[in-house]
Amino acid sequence: GDSVTQMEGPVTLSEEAFLTINCTYTATGYPSLFWYVQYPGEGLQLLLKATKADDKGSNKGFEATYRKETTSFHLEKGSVQVSDSAVYFCALPLYSTFIFGSGTRLSVKP
Amino acid sequence: NAGVTQTPKFQVLKTGQSMTLQCAQDMNHNSMYWYRQDPGMGLRLIYYSASEGTTDKGEVPNGYNVSRLNKREFSLRLESAAPSQTSVYFCASSEYRQGHTGELFFGEGSRLTVL
Repeated sequence: GDSVTQMEGPVTLSEEAFLTINCTYTATGYPSLFWYVQYPGEGLQLLLKATKADDKGSNKGFEATYRKETTSFHLEKGSVQVSDSAVYFCALPLYSTFIFGSGTRLSVKP
Repeated sequence: NAGVTQTPKFQVLKTGQSMTLQCAQDMNHNSMYWYRQDPGMGLRLIYYSASEGTTDKGEVPNGYNVSRLNKREFSLRLESAAPSQTSVYFCASSEYRQGHTGELFFGEGSRLTVL
């Protein structure tokens, strides 16, 4: 069945370091793919999305490219900030619901 | 816009007590969801309502009931709370059209502790 596998954390980086959080998926067809972010004490909010293969979603300096050849949607940021400390979730729609990855906690140290 | 509003934000119950978590959205979305989030477990779907008048079980429905009161409101009830239901609960909504689910919008969460 459809599934999402996400890199386990936690990930600890220094400010201005490069970030990659891996996400791979198994799905029928080519669904939209999403990254959600959860800041401390808050609900999840959409970070970025891609609606078809080879699309690149971007927001707040984060990017992810929908790669059907490798069934991946890895999240990247060239220079992280302390304010990026949060939990990041990869997500895949399934009919009228979503499948979420297990989440990756990112801590950025000054 | 308020988006998705959940109440209460915090609640402490004793084992066996009942309570209802309330959720309302003002975005005219047709689909609504209840998730629970536990440390190391990510998000797990409890129940969802694809449209007004319908509800379906998700991954972890045992011990919960839901009511889609109208298009705006979707409540989650714990009839007899157990310590295993200690968790953070999130309500979410989205627009589902023509076989495609749009972006999920989440509430701020309700932290429930069962003693």
